[in-house]
Amino acid sequence: GENVEQHPSTLSVQEGDSAVIKCTYSDSASNYFPWYKQELGKRPQLIIDIRSNVGEKKDQRIAVTLNKTAKHFSLHITETQPEDSAVYFCAASKLTTSGTYKYIFGTGTRLKVLA
Amino acid sequence: GAVVSQHPSWVICKSGTSVKIECRSLDFQATTMFWYRQFPKQSLMLMATSNEGSKATYEQGVEKDKFLINHASLTLSTLTVTSAHPEDSSFYICSARGSTGLLYEQYFGPGTRLTVT
Repeated sequence: GENVEQHPSTLSVQEGDSAVIKCTYSDSASNYFPWYKQELGKRPQLIIDIRSNVGEKKDQRIAVTLNKTAKHFSLHITETQPEDSAVYFCAASKLTTSGTYKYIFGTGTRLKVLA
Repeated sequence: GAVVSQHPSWVICKSGTSVKIECRSLDFQATTMFWYRQFPKQSLMLMATSNEGSKATYEQGVEKDKFLINHASLTLSTLTVTSAHPEDSSFYICSARGSTGLLYEQYFGPGTRLTVT
């Protein structure tokens, strides 16, 4: 079935350094890839997304890259700050026969930014 | 805009009882709602997809008779955990897609933490 692998499971970086989280998806029909940040006990918050017709998207300190051929996509956070500490989830999705986009989430990455 | 609420935010119940969780879209009409379950330190697992006025579509391995989903209006979906057991203890999160806007967007609720004793 559809699967999304996410690495690493935990990541510690020094404040100001960059963090990179990678995901690989199995379904080549997937064409929408959101990234979510989730703090403990809170709802997932969309931080950036990318559609399959684009290879890269950037929003201030956050960027996402997509390699459709390899079925890889990555989240890049530059100049990390302590408030970036959270769990990050990638997801892959496609339009299903029922007319909805079904999200398959990755396993999550716990990011710790050390002050 | 695009606010989704859940009620209750947390609930403790005894084994064998049923618990109902509500998911509401506050400022938009939600044609589709999704229910996820998240165990501690794990990912979000889609349980079912519900479209307003029709039966929910359950993911493989999710018991439809145990997790009853009703999406009777464009702003409300409910998940009832029937005959709850300790292994049902989890964080349940709903999300909603609006009748307008982009097909692929989902707006998440704040989640409901269920503890079954």
